[in-house]
Amino acid sequence: DIQMTQSPSSLSASVGDTVSITCRASQDINKSLAWYQQKPGKAPDLLLYAASRLQGGVPSRFSGSGSGTNYTLTISNLQPEDFSTYYCHQYYLDPRTFGQGTKVDIK
Amino acid sequence: QVQLHESGPGLVKPSETLSLTCTVSGGSISRYSWSWIRQAAGKGLEWIGRFYKGGNTHYNPSLRSRLAMSVDTSKNYFSLTLTSVTAADTAVYYCAVEQGTFGPWGQGTLVTVSS
Repeated sequence: DIQMTQSPSSLSASVGDTVSITCRASQDINKSLAWYQQKPGKAPDLLLYAASRLQGGVPSRFSGSGSGTNYTLTISNLQPEDFSTYYCHQYYLDPRTFGQGTKVDIK
Repeated sequence: QVQLHESGPGLVKPSETLSLTCTVSGGSISRYSWSWIRQAAGKGLEWIGRFYKGGNTHYNPSLRSRLAMSVDTSKNYFSLTLTSVTAADTAVYYCAVEQGTFGPWGQGTLVTVSS
């Protein structure tokens, strides 16, 4: 299985801040990397795919980068609705695997 | 827009069989591939398995020996069956369209394994 190591597990930030979350895969996943946002009691929502492509309707303050085994989600100008949990997900190989999640809360 | 809705018993006894259904509306079930994903309380996401639009299945090896998936194209739903459940199978179970990435998702259904 491809292990996805996501960090940090949690972070505190203020509205307007820029935050970054990283995800490291245990092998090259060729940019087959997606990011999801999950709010309490809800299913995850797709934010980005192919490491850096924004899903339709997702604000441009969300961006992604990376290649090989290392990937980053950056949220610029953090908004109140962005305080959530974020997951990375590799879809390069089966079984599909996810990072452990990063909870972004208000400082 | 395709919409998904999971249904099934909220409570299953240990060693028994869990059966869930995902009903699809707004699109033909034959058009997509479908996955089940689960999430234990306060935990991360675990991919369970996939039903390809061509009819094949692919399961997570960690669950393969207990797992079966099927589809009913006439009723536009697909199903999951997990045998010999334990407390470790307690989770919210989601179904989702899979096109590499997952989405749309259903709202999820909580399954508790307890006597």
